[in-house]
Amino acid sequence: DVKVTQSSRYLVKRTGEKVFLECVQDMDHENMFWYRQDPGLGLRLIYFSYDVKMKEKGDIPEGYSVSREKKERFSLILESASTNQTSMYLCASSLQGARYEQYFGPGTRLTVT
Amino acid sequence: KQEVTQIPAALSVPEGENLVLNCSFTDSAIYNLQWFRQDPGKGLTSLLLIQSSQREQTSGRLNASLDKSSGRSTLYIAASQPGDSATYLCAVRLYSGGSNYKLTFGKGTLLTVNP
Repeated sequence: DVKVTQSSRYLVKRTGEKVFLECVQDMDHENMFWYRQDPGLGLRLIYFSYDVKMKEKGDIPEGYSVSREKKERFSLILESASTNQTSMYLCASSLQGARYEQYFGPGTRLTVT
Repeated sequence: KQEVTQIPAALSVPEGENLVLNCSFTDSAIYNLQWFRQDPGKGLTSLLLIQSSQREQTSGRLNASLDKSSGRSTLYIAASQPGDSATYLCAVRLYSGGSNYKLTFGKGTLLTVNP
């Protein structure tokens, strides 16, 4: 079974803090993704990575950065957290190519106060 | 820009009923379509993946169909159970440049199966 894990299920941070969300997958997948999910807006892609040290902006990259130093690990960074970044963050991974399904982690509920 | 719509937004049915969830998309140039289930406060669980060349996929009590030309997919759940209660999301995969593809999600249908 594919396993995607995220470092925290719940996180509370203060405005202006630097926040790191970590995601690890154990199936040697080339692609990794970060989404946020908000009521009424659905899932939106923040960033994705198709190889180590490679990244592409998704639909809403503003206020976020990412890091992929190892194939199995993909980090989402909020340089200076703001209250409008309070959300559910979901990580996913897949094999390279169009035919393969994405597998999701359990999510991190981030609250910025 | 691809838009994915799921109707209804919420559905409540008695246990044992067969039901259909609908998904429509505006750009028919998709590579495949994936159905997910999401329990409250949890991540997404992949249910079925239908390639653009396929008409349907089955897994247990679930059957998903795809009509690419009309921009529609349905998820059929047979003999529903209270444990099927969750939000069901569909997502279509489109080419996004280079060798990359990305998913565009609908907002989901919240299903409640009453005992």
